[in-house]
Amino acid sequence: DAGITQSPRYKITETGRQVTLMCHQTWSHSYMFWYRQDLGHGLRLIYYSAAADITDKGEVPDGYVVSRSKTENFPLTLESATRSQTSVYFCASSVVLGRKNSPLHFGNGTRLTVT
Amino acid sequence: AQKITQTQPGMFVQEKEAVTLDCTYDTSDQSYGLFWYKQPSSGEMIFLIYQGSYDEQNATEGRYSLNFQKARKSANLVISASQLGDSAMYFCAMRDKEDAGNMLTFGGGTRLMVKP
Repeated sequence: DAGITQSPRYKITETGRQVTLMCHQTWSHSYMFWYRQDLGHGLRLIYYSAAADITDKGEVPDGYVVSRSKTENFPLTLESATRSQTSVYFCASSVVLGRKNSPLHFGNGTRLTVT
Repeated sequence: AQKITQTQPGMFVQEKEAVTLDCTYDTSDQSYGLFWYKQPSSGEMIFLIYQGSYDEQNATEGRYSLNFQKARKSANLVISASQLGDSAMYFCAMRDKEDAGNMLTFGGGTRLMVKP
């Protein structure tokens, strides 16, 4: 089915480990985003990408790395996980470059717990 | 200052009644867009409605309407005839700078609970 798919849905990892969250979209959307959702903070932007090989930092990028070698994939890596990175992570994409009214389309989220 | 403020952490509404969820925003741009999303307990983010800053009429989508007051910088979501399935978190979001990455900035959300 067309859409945006995140994997895994749930992940438990230990402090200090590297973990990668996957995001794949089938729409060929130009823009892709990673947000984290924490109680009381809504959704905060971690990184975004305007196209393959173009990425930029959002509001809370520290401790995260992204890449986008192909338009359809936008993985998020926690290089050395910390407990403060326990959160729900959402990947999203946007259909039209620069159009004000284009909504973000979200994946179903990855619930990450760092012990 | 917060770009998007939702002052109601939680609200109750009786089934079949209307409810207004508040959202105020802060931007110096003249051209911007405002969005509302619904997040049910299952966790997915569902786009509900959009309002452009230059739109002359308030946006409507079925039972959802947006009470847009530009001078007050508010974009309140009105849900008419509430249903039990409307119980969820609701997020207001804004896109302002045209070339700044197309991202949305979100408010902290309001949890709506519909009582039978």
